[in-house]
Amino acid sequence: KQEVTQIPAALSVPEGENLVLNCSFTDSAIYNLQWFRQDPGKGLTSLLLIQSSQREQTSGRLNASLDKSSGRSTLYIAASQPGDSATYLCASYTGNQFYFGTGTSLTVIP
Amino acid sequence: NAGVTQTPKFQVLKTGQSMTLQCAQDMNHNSMYWYRQDPGMGLRLIYYSASEGTTDKGEVPNGYNVSRLNKREFSLRLESAAPSQTSVYFCASLRVRGEKLFFGSGTQLSVL
Repeated sequence: KQEVTQIPAALSVPEGENLVLNCSFTDSAIYNLQWFRQDPGKGLTSLLLIQSSQREQTSGRLNASLDKSSGRSTLYIAASQPGDSATYLCASYTGNQFYFGTGTSLTVIP
Repeated sequence: NAGVTQTPKFQVLKTGQSMTLQCAQDMNHNSMYWYRQDPGMGLRLIYYSASEGTTDKGEVPNGYNVSRLNKREFSLRLESAAPSQTSVYFCASLRVRGEKLFFGSGTQLSVL
């Protein structure tokens, strides 16, 4: 069974700082990897989707990378803002099911 | 375009009561999923429906049943609720492999 781990569980940074969130997975036979944002009391919103054949995806201040061979993905957030405060989850997709990490809770301090 | 709609948003049950959580998507998606989210345990798959007319068990199916009523709707039923089923439940849908997964806003369920 695919195991997905996210470190750290919580992160607090001052506004304007660049930061990296980490995601690791045990089985490299993935179809794609997705990064989600979850605000308190809300559902998950997909931020970036990286197919297994891709190395990275970018959307605005967000950049996600994927290294299948090492079982790792990172989400880079540039010039963080208080509005980025949320929980970020990654999920690997095997072509049949999604496997989620437990998330990193990010707080950006004004 | 409403996306994935879940009802109700909140529910309190007594042990032994039954209820059905409703989920509907208006994006013509083929696959639908039910997850539960518990603190420190992430999202765990309860049941999924890869396409209309099919359903399969996920990681934690015990105590639940599902119905894929049509392509739009996928319901989750608790026949005899237990305190261990206190959780936040999310429905999600996917058009085809390789595309983004869309979530509903969740149902917060408490079983007393």
